[in-house]
Amino acid sequence: QVQLQESGPGLVRPSETLSLTCTVSDYSISSGYYWGWIRQPPGKGLEWIGSFYHGGSTYYNPSLKSRVTISVDTSKNQFSLKLSSVTAADTALYYCARQEYTYSSLDYWGQGTLVTVSS
Amino acid sequence: EIVLTQSPDFQSVTPEEKVTITCRASQNIGTSLHWYQQKPDQSPKLLIKYASQSFSGVPSRFSGSGSGTDFTLTINSLEAEDAATYYCHQSSSLPFTFGPGTKVDIK
Repeated sequence: QVQLQESGPGLVRPSETLSLTCTVSDYSISSGYYWGWIRQPPGKGLEWIGSFYHGGSTYYNPSLKSRVTISVDTSKNQFSLKLSSVTAADTALYYCARQEYTYSSLDYWGQGTLVTVSS
Repeated sequence: EIVLTQSPDFQSVTPEEKVTITCRASQNIGTSLHWYQQKPDQSPKLLIKYASQSFSGVPSRFSGSGSGTDFTLTINSLEAEDAATYYCHQSSSLPFTFGPGTKVDIK
């Protein structure tokens, strides 16, 4: 079955850009499905950040849209998240996940990576 | 934005007991409602999609029902390994949103 693995710096300075990568195994991103990012502040609930379909649309949570970019590198079978101008409120576990359709469940998730925003 | 509310916030139950968790949407979402289980220090795992469809490999004691604005996740004959936080999630319209979670503890 498909596997997803997040990677990136665990510490980001305030006002800088958070950059994470999700590496997908046992499935080619360019073959289909949607792929997305979700985050979870420590001890709190889940927040959807955004999703994309390779060769199609990318859509973002309006609450983050001005600061978020999701991109894909099919040669490495990876997709990435960039979140600019971070503050302490962006400290969270960041998950990547696969979704079957545009409006569907998130059927496979990575294990998550903790990003702390602090000086 | 569609707001999801869950009840109860917390439930402490004995093994073999039946657990019922409800999720209410702020507007009609049809059956675009999904349930996830998150154990401590793990990522969420899909249990039920589209209100009542069991995801592959999920034990049969987990079931879902509902449509419109009111949904239910039922765990029949709770097992110790079911201790977790359960989240509902709507994919009816953007932005996707999640409920605040229901923590199930084993007595």
